[in-house]
Amino acid sequence: EAGVVQSPRYKIIEKKQPVAFWCNPISGHNTLYWYRQNLGQGPELLIRYENEEAVDDSQLPKDRFSAERLKGVDSTLKIQPAELGDSAVYLCASSPMTGAGLYNEQFFGPGTRLTVL
Amino acid sequence: GENVEQHPSTLSVQEGDSAVIKCTYSDSASNYFPWYKQELGKGPQLIIDIRSNVGEKKDQRIAVTLNKTAKHFSLHITETQPEDSAVYFCAARFTGGGNKLTFGTGTQLKVEL
Repeated sequence: EAGVVQSPRYKIIEKKQPVAFWCNPISGHNTLYWYRQNLGQGPELLIRYENEEAVDDSQLPKDRFSAERLKGVDSTLKIQPAELGDSAVYLCASSPMTGAGLYNEQFFGPGTRLTVL
Repeated sequence: GENVEQHPSTLSVQEGDSAVIKCTYSDSASNYFPWYKQELGKGPQLIIDIRSNVGEKKDQRIAVTLNKTAKHFSLHITETQPEDSAVYFCAARFTGGGNKLTFGTGTQLKVEL
């Protein structure tokens, strides 16, 4: 079974440029997460989707970040315009449908390493 | 919100020795505690997890213990091998956050020959 797929794996851009990351979750996984991982830190949640609905986007900087999961399968995370502080690894994860009392494992993709110059 | 502290930040052991990584969490309502291993250039991979109604769980050479009263949990790796070298993250899920995990800052484990 294929794992979580992310592309591109690496991206170098200049500040103020736009950038987009793509994620394809494990087949059948309803829940999709985008995390940001700064160097030497643990992942921090940006947004969580249940199917096509963003159910938690409280940590997403909405002035420059946007995300979509139009058909409830793959997802795109966009930054426009990028800033120097956005340099990080952007991780996508997926899990089966969550619910009260469920402890579903989150499966992570390899991430996209973004460098903003 | 939930806060998770992890220690030590780096840990070096000799092959065959044991390694212990400790985490504390702030929200007493947290009920699920996974541990992830992250190798260079890869995403985190779940290695073991424990729920709040269990005090200890073991899977071959790795084990996790949970002390709910003290709000801390630990990862124990016995008979360490060079392939155990990686960054390890603890995480906690609190009941008010859906399936949102709060991660620790990571421990760089190096197993030396």
